Amino acid sequence: DSGVTQTPKHLITATGQRVTLRCSPRSGDLSVYWYQQSLDQGLQFLIQYYNGEERAKGNILERFSAQQFPDLHSELNLSSLELGDSALYFCASSPYRTATAEAFFGQGTRLTVV
Amino acid sequence: EDKVVQSPLSLVVHEGDTVTLNCSYEVTNFRSLLWYKQEKKAPTFLFMLTSSGIEKKSGRLSSILDKKELFSILNITATQTGDSAIYLCAVEDYNNNDMRFGAGTRLTVKP
Repeated sequence: DSGVTQTPKHLITATGQRVTLRCSPRSGDLSVYWYQQSLDQGLQFLIQYYNGEERAKGNILERFSAQQFPDLHSELNLSSLELGDSALYFCASSPYRTATAEAFFGQGTRLTVV
Repeated sequence: EDKVVQSPLSLVVHEGDTVTLNCSYEVTNFRSLLWYKQEKKAPTFLFMLTSSGIEKKSGRLSSILDKKELFSILNITATQTGDSAIYLCAVEDYNNNDMRFGAGTRLTVKP
């Protein structure tokens, strides 16, 4: 167990809908990273927050947004969902500010868009 | 565009064999390279490399970076069935703070 908690574990929703994925980082970690893993695109870095502020942005669509709250948990919001958004979404956390620091991954949320 | 290429994509070996996994990259503003192991679900961190020629080692695993030739290798000696996983390489571009992952190498170790 990495100490990073993601909820829900599975989510099935229809195209056009909006969902929120939640991540609780390890105790004391200030950075939260979001990743998307799909069969055709592999693992892709989406966005990083450090102590409440957006720190780095990767290949994140405009329909997606994230935030980190004062208690350091983070939410990834996905809207106007398309079939191609079906993927495993990982959250990771670390105590460091950089994007490639040693990060600990949660077990992921499997999103299925039908 | 930044690119990370891993080879081979798939590898099947027997217990006790030594394997070498490759990761080459084209990143404009290289900051660091990371190796991860992904078994059933979440990737787990193996190594972070920032300097050329300095080997990082953890048990039977080791890795080294060549910033001149733009590649890294991950070695696993005396492989065990528990080493079966997908091994991912990722590179960070410090200019835009983006991370790029390779497609991964699927390693299968047979008893």
